[in-house]
Amino acid sequence: SAVISQKPSRDICQRGTSLTIQCQVDSQVTMMFWYRQQPGQSLTLIATANQGSEATYESGFVIDKFPISRPNLTFSTLTVSNMSPEDSSIYLCSVATGGSETQYFGPGTRLLVL
Amino acid sequence: GENVEQHPSTLSVQEGDSAVIKCTYSDSASNYFPWYKQELGKGPQLIIDIRSNVGEKKDQRIAVTLNKTAKHFSLHITETQPEDSAVYFCAASKVDSNYQLIWGAGTKLIIKP
Repeated sequence: SAVISQKPSRDICQRGTSLTIQCQVDSQVTMMFWYRQQPGQSLTLIATANQGSEATYESGFVIDKFPISRPNLTFSTLTVSNMSPEDSSIYLCSVATGGSETQYFGPGTRLLVL
Repeated sequence: GENVEQHPSTLSVQEGDSAVIKCTYSDSASNYFPWYKQELGKGPQLIIDIRSNVGEKKDQRIAVTLNKTAKHFSLHITETQPEDSAVYFCAASKVDSNYQLIWGAGTKLIIKP
């Protein structure tokens, strides 16, 4: 399975600011996804990061709030814009590769917004 | 749309006993069912998965069973150990869903020494 890293691992931010989270994979992957996991909850898909084109967002998530880039097959970023305390969550990157539906996750970014 | 229900929300078992977590899905077209283990402060880790063309899969102390007729699948952990304590998530997806997983709510497994 791919080795996935995320930066930063955690951060404390002030409301109204933005944070960009990076996801790096050690090999080329077909699909990259961004999830949000609120404390004690299950995972919610934010968007699918498409290489070379705009991300595909799930209902309830918009590009202005969560802009995503995927410049190549091993790297993606998620920005959480104009943050409020409700954005305090774990943000997870996952990947799938080789035509398989199996997803592998990064360690997550723990975000606290004050 | 697809829905996955997971039970129980919390499960406490004595070390050495078995643990069973159950999930039910709504979309009969679902054909892939992974289980993830999430330890505190970490991302979910795939522990076992099953596809709809088989009824059971085992990997050492872990097994998953699938009943397509009843649309449910279960995770079985035998001879539980303290390091099995974690939150476990089931999920389901289908071929034309662009790899999207529908997640259960999670089960917190507590292994009592």
